[in-house]
Amino acid sequence: AQTVTQSQPEMSVQEAETVTLSCTYDTSESNYYLFWYKQPPSRQMILVIRQEAYKQQNATENRFSVNFQKAAKSFSLKISDSQLGDTAMYFCAFMKLRPYDKVIFGPGTSLSVIP
Amino acid sequence: DADVTQTPRNRITKTGKRIMLECSQTKGHDRMYWYRQDPGLGLRLIYYSFDVKDINKGEISDGYSVSRQAQAKFSLSLESAIPNQTALYFCAIGTGNNQPQHFGDGTRLSIL
Repeated sequence: AQTVTQSQPEMSVQEAETVTLSCTYDTSESNYYLFWYKQPPSRQMILVIRQEAYKQQNATENRFSVNFQKAAKSFSLKISDSQLGDTAMYFCAFMKLRPYDKVIFGPGTSLSVIP
Repeated sequence: DADVTQTPRNRITKTGKRIMLECSQTKGHDRMYWYRQDPGLGLRLIYYSFDVKDINKGEISDGYSVSRQAQAKFSLSLESAIPNQTALYFCAIGTGNNQPQHFGDGTRLSIL
């Protein structure tokens, strides 16, 4: 069975600084997708970034980038130039492709951006 | 209009009551999901449906039931609510084409 671990329940960062959120997962699958979702206090689930396991290049979306280490089963999220609006819960998620697109979520990391 | 609409947004009820949470979508996706979020546990899958006639249990289906009334509607019921079902509930939709799931805004349910 797949599992997703986020070892940092809470983190904080100064505004404009860079922070990295950790995520590890366990799977025997060779092809899968990984995601980071953001949940602000409004409680919406917002997709931040996605990574296909067959792609070696790390995904980037503006200030958000990932460090995907497939052999180590690690998928960390780096937020550059942190902004107050980045304050949220962040969930790492694994999506298995077959037999269906089952998504496994990690427990989340609560990030606070300090002015 | 939002792609995925959940009603109600918040609900407080008493132990033993029957509760229905509703989800509707405007994207025309075949796949719909119900998750529950608890602190420190992330989101866990309760039920999922690939079409109107295909409904499947997730990892924590005990105490819950679902109904897929139409392609666009997927409701979650708690037949006899208990306090440990207090949680934030999310409905999500998907295409099944390796695309990320898209979530509603959640229903916060409190059972006293």
